Amino acid sequence: GESVGLHLPTLSVQEGDNSIINCAYSNSASDYFIWYKQESGKGPQFIIDIRSNMDKRQGQRVTVLLNKTVKHLSLQIAATQPGDSAVYFCAESPSGSARQLTFGSGTQLTVLP
Amino acid sequence: NAGVMQNPRHLVRRRGQEARLRCSPMKGHSHVYWYRQLPEEGLKFMVYLQKENIIDESGMPKERFSAEFPKEGPSILRIQQVVRGDSAAYFCASSPLVYTDTQYFGPGTRLTVL
Repeated sequence: GESVGLHLPTLSVQEGDNSIINCAYSNSASDYFIWYKQESGKGPQFIIDIRSNMDKRQGQRVTVLLNKTVKHLSLQIAATQPGDSAVYFCAESPSGSARQLTFGSGTQLTVLP
Repeated sequence: NAGVMQNPRHLVRRRGQEARLRCSPMKGHSHVYWYRQLPEEGLKFMVYLQKENIIDESGMPKERFSAEFPKEGPSILRIQQVVRGDSAAYFCASSPLVYTDTQYFGPGTRLTVL
């Protein structure tokens, strides 16, 4: 079946460096994508989203890139801080659906001092 | 504006008992979604509700699980005759009345079945 998956389960970066978290999706009908951050024992926290009619969107210290040709999504975090340590999930939603989200398995980001 | 609220935060049940999980959406939100998360996995969609209506329950197990979102009060996810495999974190998300895709999540209820 179609699914959303992440390339790497863990990522360690030095404080102050930039982080890049990748995600592959296989449902070509997906037209909406979201990145969530989940800290231990908490619910997913919305970070940034992007629609399929865009290829880049920027927020505060975060940028999401969408490459529809290869069905790839990435999250870039600038100047990574200790508070960024968490599990990051990409999620996708196909057009015309009741907007149920399909989540990837997550990437654990660890920021090293 | 308070966020999505869920209670209880932690729930322990013995096999065969019933579990009731509650979700109060953000103010002004009339769409509620329930997801289940097993340890070290992503969230899996269960059900999508609007006030007094189940819109999509394609992710709900066919037996023992039910959900409602009454005109007044919180949304309820009910699990009857719980089994150990039901142990998981259950998250509720809500989105506004006006059509939008962004879902905001609550803190979750961690269900442990002994």
